[in-house]
Amino acid sequence: KAGVTQTPRYLIKTRGQQVTLSCSPISGHRSVSWYQQTPGQGLQFLFEYFSETQRNKGNFPGRFSGRQFSNSRSEMNVSTLELGDSALYLCASSLTQPVYQETQYFGPGTRLLVL
Amino acid sequence: SQQGEEDPQALSIQEGENATMNCSYKTSINNLQWYRQNSGRGLVHLILIRSNEREKHSGRLRVTLDTSKKSSSLLITASRAADTASYFCATRIIQGAQKLVFGQGTRLTINP
Repeated sequence: KAGVTQTPRYLIKTRGQQVTLSCSPISGHRSVSWYQQTPGQGLQFLFEYFSETQRNKGNFPGRFSGRQFSNSRSEMNVSTLELGDSALYLCASSLTQPVYQETQYFGPGTRLLVL
Repeated sequence: SQQGEEDPQALSIQEGENATMNCSYKTSINNLQWYRQNSGRGLVHLILIRSNEREKHSGRLRVTLDTSKKSSSLLITASRAADTASYFCATRIIQGAQKLVFGQGTRLTINP
């Protein structure tokens, strides 16, 4: 099976712009989670989607949003980018809910640089 | 603040030696997982230990869990250069949002 794929792999944006990142989970996986990784804050949970519904949300401002499609592919959007949004954004998929029972499989990440 | 805190933050050993990393957490957990990350890439799942388990093995990896001390350790035996990476513990907490909470990680360097 193909692993989790994320596009694009690298992205450069300027402050104030918005960005959309995409994640395709492993075939058959219905749960998709997003994490932000920065040197200062480490790995932080953004949100989790299952069957097109947001099931859990981390402590991030409303500028961060996401959605999941019927084929389980997920997108996350960050509006009005700030310099502090520069990070590696990781997507992870898992097979079923409750997700806490399952291993998460991570994609290679999208590295976002905000100038 | 992070649920998991790892110790040491960085570890450098010779190839063939054993490497031990520790993780402490604050609240009750459902399970604890260890992940490896190579140089800013995605995370690779290594091992999951449930709250009712005390020890688990997978190849050269040995994980222990002490829920009374809220701590876990990851032992890598007979280290190889390819083990050079950052290692993270992640906890699935029982209360609150069902999400993985990661520690800050241990940067492991294996010297040839």
